[in-house]
Amino acid sequence: AQTVTQSQPEMSVQEAETVTLSCTYDTSESDYYLFWYKQPPSRQMILVIRQEAYKQQNATENRFSVNFQKAAKSFSLKISDSQLGDAAMYFCAHVYAGGTSYGKLTFGQGTILTVHP
Amino acid sequence: DGGITQSPKYLFRKEGQNVTLSCEQNLNHDAMYWYRQDPGQGLRLIYYSQIVNDFQKGDIAEGYSVSREKKESFPLTVTSAQKNPTAFYLCASSIRGLSGANVLTFGAGSRLTVL
Repeated sequence: AQTVTQSQPEMSVQEAETVTLSCTYDTSESDYYLFWYKQPPSRQMILVIRQEAYKQQNATENRFSVNFQKAAKSFSLKISDSQLGDAAMYFCAHVYAGGTSYGKLTFGQGTILTVHP
Repeated sequence: DGGITQSPKYLFRKEGQNVTLSCEQNLNHDAMYWYRQDPGQGLRLIYYSQIVNDFQKGDIAEGYSVSREKKESFPLTVTSAQKNPTAFYLCASSIRGLSGANVLTFGAGSRLTVL
């Protein structure tokens, strides 16, 4: 069974600084996707970034980037130049890329990020 | 604007009552999903449907039922058999096809409280 672990229940960062959220996963497959989703106080889940396992290059989306270590099964999210609007719960998620598995994401427990002005 | 509409946003239920949560999407997505969110446990998959008139159980389907009679609608019924139904419920959808199938669009959620 796939598992996703976020070992940091809470993190905090000063505005304009950088913070890294950790995620590890366990899977026996070689082809899969990894995601970071953001859930602000409105509770609307928003996709932050996606990584395809067969791509060695780390994904980036503006101030958000990942450090994908496939051998170590690690997928951390780095937020640069943190803004007050980044305050949210962040979920790491994994899904096997096989044809019948799409949409069946396995989520971590979440990390609450607080941004201090 | 395209998106997913969940209703009601808040719902209270007495023990022993069934309740149905609505989920409607106008994204023309083929696949739809129901996830349950509990504190400290992330999101867990209840049911999913990849095509109209077909749906599959997820990891925690016991005590829940769904239907998929129309492409845009995927209602979830929480039955009296669900032992601990108080939770936040999220509906999601995705396009079919490998490239985008795993990118989920979520609704704003429904909070169910059993009194």
